Amino acid sequence: GAVVSQHPSRVICKSGTSVKIECRSLDFQATTMFWYRQFPKQSLMLMATSNEGSKATYEQGVEKDKFLINHASLTLSTLTVTSAHPEDSSFYICSARDFYRENQPQHFGDGTRLSIL
Amino acid sequence: GQNIDQPTEMTATEGAIVQINCTYQTSGFNGLFWYQQHAGEAPTFLSYNVLDGLEEKGRFSSFLSRSKGYSYLLLKELQMKDSASYLCAAMDSNYQLIWGAGTKLIIKP
Repeated sequence: GAVVSQHPSRVICKSGTSVKIECRSLDFQATTMFWYRQFPKQSLMLMATSNEGSKATYEQGVEKDKFLINHASLTLSTLTVTSAHPEDSSFYICSARDFYRENQPQHFGDGTRLSIL
Repeated sequence: GQNIDQPTEMTATEGAIVQINCTYQTSGFNGLFWYQQHAGEAPTFLSYNVLDGLEEKGRFSSFLSRSKGYSYLLLKELQMKDSASYLCAAMDSNYQLIWGAGTKLIIKP
């Protein structure tokens, strides 16, 4: 069964709306979670690394004020796309790594397809 | 810098065998992962190699040569459902995954 739960799976909303996406590790503790974005027919692009209890680390070119990340517990990270615009429409995927198994696979959520009208 | 190279696209015939190659350069190395991603879905884990050699898992096998910075994913008895993108990712010394751009595999009847 799924070990990482991501919600919602799909969001359609108007331009200017803020959208929150949740990522939960179901049966392990994840001090580190990762947020990716994938445009159609393109590869995964790491946006940021979410660290439990501290600030997220953003990749170059990703606006931290635009993409707010909160990792308040060992099993939950949230990504909020603030004042979303059509160019933010994409497939957002989170992944989590077991705290006690750093060299083991990242487990991915099912992704969130965001469409901004 | 850190870099992963894999072919952009490959085509194979149903029932045949295909090998997807991946070369990597990372700061330190903690293993090589292969993921499968169907269109519109999140990646799913296929295999992990950290020691040299071949790991077999059903129809899929993965090989690693650390000295050459090289890995391949071998898919046997191809089925139409194997049409997907295959992502190679190397884990560096900080346990961060460095992702390849993915290889789109097209299976023809």
